[in-house]
Amino acid sequence: EDQVTQSPEALRLQEGESSSLNCSYTVSGLRGLFWYRQDPGKGPEFLFTLYSAGEEKEKERLKATLTKKESFLHITAPKPEDSATYLCAVQGSQGNLIFGKGTKLSVKP
Amino acid sequence: KAGVTQTPRYLIKTRGQQVTLSCSPISGHRSVSWYQQTPGQGLQFLFEYFSETQRNKGNFPGRFSGRQFSNSRSEMNVSTLELGDSALYLCASVPGGGETQYFGPGTRLLVL
Repeated sequence: EDQVTQSPEALRLQEGESSSLNCSYTVSGLRGLFWYRQDPGKGPEFLFTLYSAGEEKEKERLKATLTKKESFLHITAPKPEDSATYLCAVQGSQGNLIFGKGTKLSVKP
Repeated sequence: KAGVTQTPRYLIKTRGQQVTLSCSPISGHRSVSWYQQTPGQGLQFLFEYFSETQRNKGNFPGRFSGRQFSNSRSEMNVSTLELGDSALYLCASVPGGGETQYFGPGTRLLVL
């Protein structure tokens, strides 16, 4: 069964304190792994797509990496505006996205 | 370029009623997917439409249905509403030949 597990469930950081979010997955026929950011009351905002092990992508203070079993979202020197829930999803052979429960990140000034 | 739009944004219904939600994808996108988001279950896939045909369906009861029109706009319908149907319903569209799904703001449904 296709499955996505994100950890930790919640993470509290001080501004400037770098950290990583984990996304472990099992899926048949990985077509892509996706990271989204979701603010309260809004729809998920696309961040990255990763397709194969070893791939890395960066955007501002965020960097996503992918292995055969997990993905990491590294946050370097976070700011309060980075506070949000970060969602990981995989797309398998059937095409629909399977989401993890998310990591709620709080960055205090 | 306008993003995915969903209407209405908020809705209150009572048990037993039915509801129809609407989604307009990004211009040029032909695939639309629907998801239900609840605090307990997170985001769960409902169904996907491409060129007016349902291409994939999640594990939801038959009370949940959808359709897509020739202009790619999509609607989903929930009949005989239950309290557990209270959720944020999200629509996502995909560009032709792509994989990345772009989400709308969602419709928040409250069933009393």
